[in-house]
Amino acid sequence: EVQLVESGGGLAQPGGSLRLSCATSGFTFRSSEVNWVRQAPGKGLEWISYISMSGTTTHYADSVKGRFTISRDNVKNSLYLQMNSLRAEDTAIYYCASASLLGNNYGYRYWGQGTLVTVSS
Amino acid sequence: DIQMTQSPSSVSASVGDRVTITCRASQDISSWLAWYQQKPGKAPKFLMSAETSLQSGVPSRFSGSGSGTDFTLTISSLQPEDFATYYCQQTNTFPQAFGQGTKVEVK
Repeated sequence: EVQLVESGGGLAQPGGSLRLSCATSGFTFRSSEVNWVRQAPGKGLEWISYISMSGTTTHYADSVKGRFTISRDNVKNSLYLQMNSLRAEDTAIYYCASASLLGNNYGYRYWGQGTLVTVSS
Repeated sequence: DIQMTQSPSSVSASVGDRVTITCRASQDISSWLAWYQQKPGKAPKFLMSAETSLQSGVPSRFSGSGSGTDFTLTISSLQPEDFATYYCQQTNTFPQAFGQGTKVEVK
C-alpha cells in the first residue's frame, strides 16, 4: 500500500521557521519526482515546489522562492520542506505529492493526507 | 507563467446528469494536463492525465479530452460520490499551476 505521511506542521510566528517531513512507503521513492502543494483555508490548490529523483534539480513558486527549501533523503524515503521567514499568507494545509514512475509530466499520482501550518502571532 | 482557467467555478447537478468541466491554458501545453478530484477534508485524488487517460480504479464515467490550450473533463452520469471539487493542472512547465477549481454541487 502506498503511503505518504506528512508531519511537522503547527503554529509558527511570523518570521519564524518550520520543517515539514513526508515519510513514504509502498512505492519506489528514489525513482519518483516529488512535489509540495499547499491549500489555504477555503482556497484552491497551489503548487509550491518540486525536486528531481536525485535531488539535483529543484523548482519553486515565486511565492516561496528564497524562503523555502525542498530536499529529500532517498535512503530514508523521505521528503522535506524547510520553511523560513514565514508569513501569514503561508497558512495552509501542505501536501506532499509524488508522480508515478512515468514522471511529473503525467500528474501527481500519490498524495499525503496533509499537515496544517498556521502562521500567526 | 502559464495560467489555468476552469469553467464553470461551480455547477449544480443531479444524479444521472452529464457534467462537463472546461479547463483553458494561457498557452499551448500539448497534452500535459492532469485532473484531480477533492472532497471536503480530504487530499486531492489523481483522476487522469491527458497523456495516459484514466488512473486505475477511476470509474469509466469519467473521461477527458483536449490538447493545446483547451481541455474538458466529462462525467457521463453523475453519481452521489462524484459531488466534489475538480481541479485541472498543467504539467508542461514549472510552475505547474492548478486551475481554480470547479465545485460540483447537488441541485
